[in-house]
This record gives sequence, C-alpha cells and structure tokens, in this order.
Amino acid sequence: QVQLVESGGGVVQPGRSLRLSCAASGFTFSSFGMHWVRQAPGKGLQWVAVISYLRRSESYADSVKGRFSISRDNSKDTLYLQMNSLRPEDTAVYYCAKDWSDGRGPIDYWGQGTLVTVSS
Amino acid sequence: DIQMTQSPSTLSASVGDRVTITCRASQSISSWLAWYQQKPGKAPKVLIYKASSLESGVPSRFSGSGSGTEFTLSISSLQPDDFATYYCQQYNSYPWTFGQGTKVEVK
Repeated sequence: QVQLVESGGGVVQPGRSLRLSCAASGFTFSSFGMHWVRQAPGKGLQWVAVISYLRRSESYADSVKGRFSISRDNSKDTLYLQMNSLRPEDTAVYYCAKDWSDGRGPIDYWGQGTLVTVSS
Repeated sequence: DIQMTQSPSTLSASVGDRVTITCRASQSISSWLAWYQQKPGKAPKVLIYKASSLESGVPSRFSGSGSGTEFTLSISSLQPDDFATYYCQQYNSYPWTFGQGTKVEVK
C-alpha cells in the first residue's frame, strides 16, 4: 500500500532554514508527480509546491516562491522541501502528497504531516 | 490565481439527512475539481475527482456534480463517520487552490 512518511519538522527561528523529507513506498515513485501542501493551525489547506515525475517542471505558491525549493531523489524514493528565510506565517503542518499522474492532479494519497513552527 | 469559495462554512445536520455543499470558482475550471474529507488531526482523504468521479473505496452516498464555475458535493444520507470538514480544490491551473472548508457538525 502507498505510504508517505514526512520528517524534518520542528521549531525554527524566523529567517532560518529547514529541510523536510518525505519517504515514499508502495508505488513506483519515479512515475508520479509529488506535492507539498500545508495547513496552519486551525486553518484550511494551502497548496505549496509540485514537482513532475521527471523533475522537468516545478511550480510554487506565490507566498513561498523564491524562498522554498522542491526536489526529489528518484533513486531514494524521497521528496524534499528546502525552506529558507522562514517566517512566522510559515508555521503549519506540512503534508507530502502523491499526484494521480505526472503533476496534473488530483492528489490521491497524503502523508500524515510534519509540524513546522517558526518562532523566536 | 483562481479563488475557490465554499458555502456554507458550517453545516449542522443529523444522521440520515441529505447534505449539500457548494463550491464556486472565480473562473472556469472545466471539471478539474476534487473534494476532500478531513477529520481532526488526520490527513485529508480524496472523495471525488474530476468533479463527479467517485474515488475507489468511497461510499456511494457521496456524489459530486457541476462544471465550469459551480460545483456541489452531496451526501445522500449522512452517517456518523461523515462528520468532518470538507474541502474543494481546483487543479485546472497552478497555483492550485482550495476552498476555505465546510465543517459538517452534529445538529
């Protein structure tokens, strides 16, 4: 069965960096687009970024563009999110999610999420 | 960016009720719409994709309809397991956007 396990969350000061990882199993990771979606405490869902299965295209939400970078290592079945210049408003649970196809959607599986808290 | 607006924000209902949630897009998204269910402390779960296609394993009491800018999610007979928050999401174009959510609560 499909499993997505996020790691790397924690408490970080504003302006610092953090890298999230997502270990995938139960499907052919290299054949699917992958996403990050976040949810601030008590708030709704916000799509963050996508990477196509061949790493030929990426896209970002305006709120993270230029600060966050999505990448993948198909040899390790792992997705990453490099988060730089973190702000308090980046505080959220970050979900790794599998695309139904190559990044054109929809999302069909989600991880359980990892909490990132940006605070001094 | 395409704005997604759900209504109502909160819906009070009883077991056995028929429930309808509406989602409106700020511009046409054809049928590129999904519905997700989320329970407290859990990841979302896809219910409907391409506006009206039922995800495998999802009970048939859930149904979706609409195209263009107006969409609905219906639950024909609300069950105890259905009390949750529901989100619509467009995947017509990036950046993908979600509705603000509709919480279905016990009346």
